[in-house]
Amino acid sequence: GAVVSQHPSWVICKSGTSVKIECRSLDFQATTMFWYRQFPKQSLMLMATSNEGSKATYEQGVEKDKFLINHASLTLSTLTVTSAHPEDSSFYICSARRGQAGNQPQHFGDGTRLSIL
Amino acid sequence: DAKTTQPPSMDCAEGRAANLPCNHSTISGNEYVYWYRQIHSQGPQYIIHGLKNNETNEMASLIITEDRKSSTLILPHATLRDTAVYYCIVIRSGNQFYFGTGTSLTVIP
Repeated sequence: GAVVSQHPSWVICKSGTSVKIECRSLDFQATTMFWYRQFPKQSLMLMATSNEGSKATYEQGVEKDKFLINHASLTLSTLTVTSAHPEDSSFYICSARRGQAGNQPQHFGDGTRLSIL
Repeated sequence: DAKTTQPPSMDCAEGRAANLPCNHSTISGNEYVYWYRQIHSQGPQYIIHGLKNNETNEMASLIITEDRKSSTLILPHATLRDTAVYYCIVIRSGNQFYFGTGTSLTVIP
């Protein structure tokens, strides 16, 4: 149980393009979803926290107009990288969690590798 | 949330127990200890979590010291597929996960 699906797994696009990444919780309802990015040989960096039906909360230094997050249902959150540039190339990972309790694990998708040419 | 300290790397012989330590000396009474691992180019995989008591599941055991200032993740019989970066995270109810640098475990044949 507790499967999180992320799509696409890999995308290459031209500079200036907007890219949408989907994150779905397949077998549970996720009240909260999270978006991370990871550069090569570095740890995961939290970008934003998204609660169903409300605006996302962004971490300091993350541009909310650049990284648009929508969490329209309890099973789907999307991250749109707007007007992507080469420096946005990274590994983007989502996670989902049931409820708010500290004893609820986050479950992660397998990530999306984004390459901007 | 409490910060964690882990050794950057460890080796373990295949078939032996892998003991991965984590220091969280500033942990509060309502903060949980979570362990995840990340195999190259994949998303992190949940392993186990605990609050005060030791925990065991099909993947691993989690030993938390009585003062809760440190913990150890035990993989009882390491295999080559256990080679990964292991993250120890301390989290309060409702709060986000902040990943540290983790321990890179290499299981040696």
